Amino acid sequence: DGGITQSPKYLFRKEGQNVTLSCEQNLNHDAMYWYRQDPGQGLRLIYYSQIVNDFQKGDIAEGYSVSREKKESFPLTVTSAQKNPTAFYLCASSVGPEAFFGQGTRLTVV
Amino acid sequence: AQTVTQSQPEMSVQEAETVTLSCTYDTSESNYYLFWYKQPPSRQMILVIRQEAYKQQNATENRFSVNFQKAAKSFSLKISDSQLGDTAMYFCAPWGGTYKYIFGTGTRLKVLA
Repeated sequence: DGGITQSPKYLFRKEGQNVTLSCEQNLNHDAMYWYRQDPGQGLRLIYYSQIVNDFQKGDIAEGYSVSREKKESFPLTVTSAQKNPTAFYLCASSVGPEAFFGQGTRLTVV
Repeated sequence: AQTVTQSQPEMSVQEAETVTLSCTYDTSESNYYLFWYKQPPSRQMILVIRQEAYKQQNATENRFSVNFQKAAKSFSLKISDSQLGDTAMYFCAPWGGTYKYIFGTGTRLKVLA
């Protein structure tokens, strides 16, 4: 079945550690996105990529990094520079105007 | 830049009744789309309905319909015959040609039995 797979579903990180969230899609979509969701703040765009080997910062890119070496993969690294990383992270992909979402990763700093 | 405002943080409706969720937006794009997404407690984002801005006719999808007022930049969602499964967060999202979706802060809808 075609879709977007995010892993893991739950992730715990110690303060000062980097952690990478996985996002894989087999929909053959060119564009991929990472969003952060906090209570009462909706979805905020972290990074997006329109094509392989290219990506742009969104509204809250500080403390995050991404790569787009393959069309189907768009991993997000939460670095130690991100001061408040506990949140729900959603990955999406699109071709044209409609976005398809993964099931999300809940990251908790312990 | 695009902005989206959903002015109703929470709403409730009795089962089988009708409810309308509001959304206003601002965009400099001339050709764009508008979406309503639903996020149930599972947190999976599900597309509810889409509207092409160049179409004057309001989109309808079963019990879901929109009232699209282009000049006013308003895009409200009407849910008819509300069901318990409609309980969710609802997000309005315009999309222009910049490949970015900008989401509103959401409206939490609770359908009461």
